[in-house]
Amino acid sequence: DSGVTQTPKHLITATGQRVTLRCSPRSGDLSVYWYQQSLDQGLQFLIQYYNGEERAKGNILERFSAQQFPDLHSELNLSSLELGDSALYFCASSSSRGYNEQFFGPGTRLTVL
Amino acid sequence: AQKVTQAQTEISVVEKEDVTLDCVYETRDTTYYLFWYKQPPSGELVFLIRRNSFDEQNEISGRYSWNFQKSTSSFNFTITASQVVDSAVYFCALSVVTGANSKLTFGKGITLSVRP
Repeated sequence: DSGVTQTPKHLITATGQRVTLRCSPRSGDLSVYWYQQSLDQGLQFLIQYYNGEERAKGNILERFSAQQFPDLHSELNLSSLELGDSALYFCASSSSRGYNEQFFGPGTRLTVL
Repeated sequence: AQKVTQAQTEISVVEKEDVTLDCVYETRDTTYYLFWYKQPPSGELVFLIRRNSFDEQNEISGRYSWNFQKSTSSFNFTITASQVVDSAVYFCALSVVTGANSKLTFGKGITLSVRP
């Protein structure tokens, strides 16, 4: 158990809908990262938050957004969903130092029908 | 830009065989960090090791060992006396720290199957 929690574990929805994925980092970790894992793109970095502020953006679509709350949990919002958004979405956290390893949550498997 | 190449896509071995997973990386930064993660069939990503660019010392942890060679930009992972429980997808990753941004760039992963 990495100490990072993600809910829900599975999510099935229809095209055009909006969903919210939730992540709670390990106790004491200030950085939260979101990654998308799909068969064709592999594991791709989406976005990073550090202590409530956005720090870096990767290959994140404009239809996607995220935020980190004062209690450090984070939410990833996916809207106007398309079939191609079906993937495993991981949240990871690390301590304040950027070079520390990232610990991953169990992931949320999103299926868009 | 950073890049990680895991040229092997699938490896199949018989239990108790030794197996080496290759990883080649590209970066122009002199300070960087290399990682290996394991993704078992259950799907979670499990951290295995972190190595920084200034430490080329090889590391051994039980049946696992890692060989870091800056001259060839490689960070290879060897499992000695493989076991069925080692069956998983293994990812090599690279991180270059820019401010507080330390995103991981992953390779495509190597699927290891260990047959009894």
